Amino acid sequence: QKEVEQNSGPLSVPEGAIASLNCTYSDRGSQSFFWYRQYSGKSPELIMSIYSNGDKEDGRFTAQLNKASQYVSLLIRDSQPSDSATYLCAVRPGGGNKLTFGTGTQLKVEL
Amino acid sequence: DTEVTQTPKHLVMGMTNKKSLKCEQHMGHRAMYWYKQKAKKPPELMFVYSYEKLSINESVPSRFSPECPNSSLLNLHLHALQPEDSALYLCASSQGAGSSEAFFGQGTRLTVV
Repeated sequence: QKEVEQNSGPLSVPEGAIASLNCTYSDRGSQSFFWYRQYSGKSPELIMSIYSNGDKEDGRFTAQLNKASQYVSLLIRDSQPSDSATYLCAVRPGGGNKLTFGTGTQLKVEL
Repeated sequence: DTEVTQTPKHLVMGMTNKKSLKCEQHMGHRAMYWYKQKAKKPPELMFVYSYEKLSINESVPSRFSPECPNSSLLNLHLHALQPEDSALYLCASSQGAGSSEAFFGQGTRLTVV
């Protein structure tokens, strides 16, 4: 079982729709969870971090964490073509330096 | 300011060359990372330095040699690389261990010929 798993996609949504990206992780001791956006040929850009169960909202982005079910998700409201990118889920174990990435989900927002 | 600066942006090197990648941050972060990313794959952790000491080495071949001269600088020395080592090399930094967020530099695109 991979440490962090994501559906590779591509996930296609129409402009203005809600995009839902999911991630599961295997280490129950994980404490910190992050979503990065990566455009083709560029480096990952941090867009959300979440540490507690529940929802965390920042503009059009909402991160959701459920530690009991070991999943974290990212919702993007009012999706725009500029949101088209690969979204990487990253997980950090409690107290550790290691930051492990999922394989990423490619999102395509269509006009 | 969440800037991590990497140089050079692009590097082409022969298999017998020795080169170095450089990374710098001035955010007071005490953890710094090297990742390797191949096309259409996620970043793969290579090394982690915490408080200028190597804390994680993910069984990376010895032709990659990290160095942390001070809390703001991280180098990756390259020697006798193979064509399959061609990739995007990413540096990142974070406040410390535990929950802190990691910020990436723009990467060095390395091609080994």
